[in-house]
Amino acid sequence: KAGVTQTPRYLIKTRGQQVTLSCSPISGHRSVSWYQQTPGQGLQFLFEYFSETQRNKGNFPGRFSGRQFSNSRSEMNVSTLELGDSALYLCASSQQYQETQYFGPGTRLLVL
Amino acid sequence: AQSVSQHNHHVILSEAASLELGCNYSYGGTVNLFWYVQYPGQHLQLLLKYFSGDPLVKGIKGFEAEFIKSKFSFNLRKPSVQWSDTAEYFCAVSRNQAGTALIFGKGTTLSVSS
Repeated sequence: KAGVTQTPRYLIKTRGQQVTLSCSPISGHRSVSWYQQTPGQGLQFLFEYFSETQRNKGNFPGRFSGRQFSNSRSEMNVSTLELGDSALYLCASSQQYQETQYFGPGTRLLVL
Repeated sequence: AQSVSQHNHHVILSEAASLELGCNYSYGGTVNLFWYVQYPGQHLQLLLKYFSGDPLVKGIKGFEAEFIKSKFSFNLRKPSVQWSDTAEYFCAVSRNQAGTALIFGKGTTLSVSS
């Protein structure tokens, strides 16, 4: 089975712009979660989607949003980018809600 | 504040040495526990997990972990490390009341010299 795929893998944006990241879960997986990884804060949970509904949200500002489509693919959007948003954004999928998550390679975002 | 703590930031070992990485969490109630590994240039991979049952769980590549509920700990062990175990190791916890969301420790970098 193919693993979790994320596109794009690398992205450079400037402050004030917005960005959309995409995640395709493992085939048959219905739950998708997003995490931000930075050297200072480590891995932090952003949000989780299951059956197109946001089930859980981490402690991030409203500039961070996401959605899930009927085929379980997910996107996250960050509006009005700040320098501090530079990070590796990881997507993880699980077969069902509250099950083991499997991670993708991440999208590395650099905000200039 | 509720958190996951990994005691060692950087561990340096020689090949064949034994490994134990500490992990403590501060959540009450039912938790699921995980160790993930990130090899250089690769993405996070699941090493092992504990949901219920036998508190001693075995994972891939000879790793094991023991859940001690009274100590809120889930320490990772390997009797004899190899150079290829050089990686960053993350302990993570999910709480049944919080869905699948994982709360991660800050990670431990393991460097193994041959």
